Amino acid sequence: EAEVAQSPRYKITEKSQAVAFWCDPISGHATLYWYRQILGQGPELLVQFQDESVVDDSQLPKDRFSAERLKGVDSTLKIQPAELGDSAMYLCASSLEGGQAITDTQYFGPGTRLTVL
Amino acid sequence: GNSVTQMEGPVTLSEEAFLTINCTYTATGYPSLFWYVQYPGEGLQLLLKATKADDKGSNKGFEATYRKETTSFHLEKGSVQVSDSAVYFCALTSSASKIIFGSGTRLSIRP
Repeated sequence: EAEVAQSPRYKITEKSQAVAFWCDPISGHATLYWYRQILGQGPELLVQFQDESVVDDSQLPKDRFSAERLKGVDSTLKIQPAELGDSAMYLCASSLEGGQAITDTQYFGPGTRLTVL
Repeated sequence: GNSVTQMEGPVTLSEEAFLTINCTYTATGYPSLFWYVQYPGEGLQLLLKATKADDKGSNKGFEATYRKETTSFHLEKGSVQVSDSAVYFCALTSSASKIIFGSGTRLSIRP
């Protein structure tokens, strides 16, 4: 069964350092999502891509976070510089269509757990 | 704005007990409602969904009915198993809103 791949699974870094996370969605899925999940809370959408275009980044802290999906396939989320409050699980998900297909099922990867010291 | 409220955990039950996890929502328009499950060390998986009032979603013995009059989407299972131990998230989306998750309910089942 096709899965969403993420790496690394775990990342420990010191504050003010740069970190990057990678996501490879299910083949053929047009929409890709990055979420942040703070311990004990539900996921919060950071950015949504439709192919290579950003369709929603309203919750992305753009002063330190950036995301790209250059060829409309895999994606990278970067934090520079990392802060203590960025410690969380970063989840990637993909769906076949997304966009106006609001009931389109999102398939999640296993996540990257970030710890900022 | 839209929001989802679900019962706080942890919920601890014995195997074969009846399960209810409450979820209520606030939304404009006509949202779609979802339950996701997160097993230890894994990402979220869609458990079931309902897209209009009075719809019942079901999967793996779990059920939830979209109740517009009470703005609820409670998750139920008649007989839980140890393998059901996980964190359960209620969520909604609408044409005016990206998906919004509740804070999650941790379920632990004792053998």
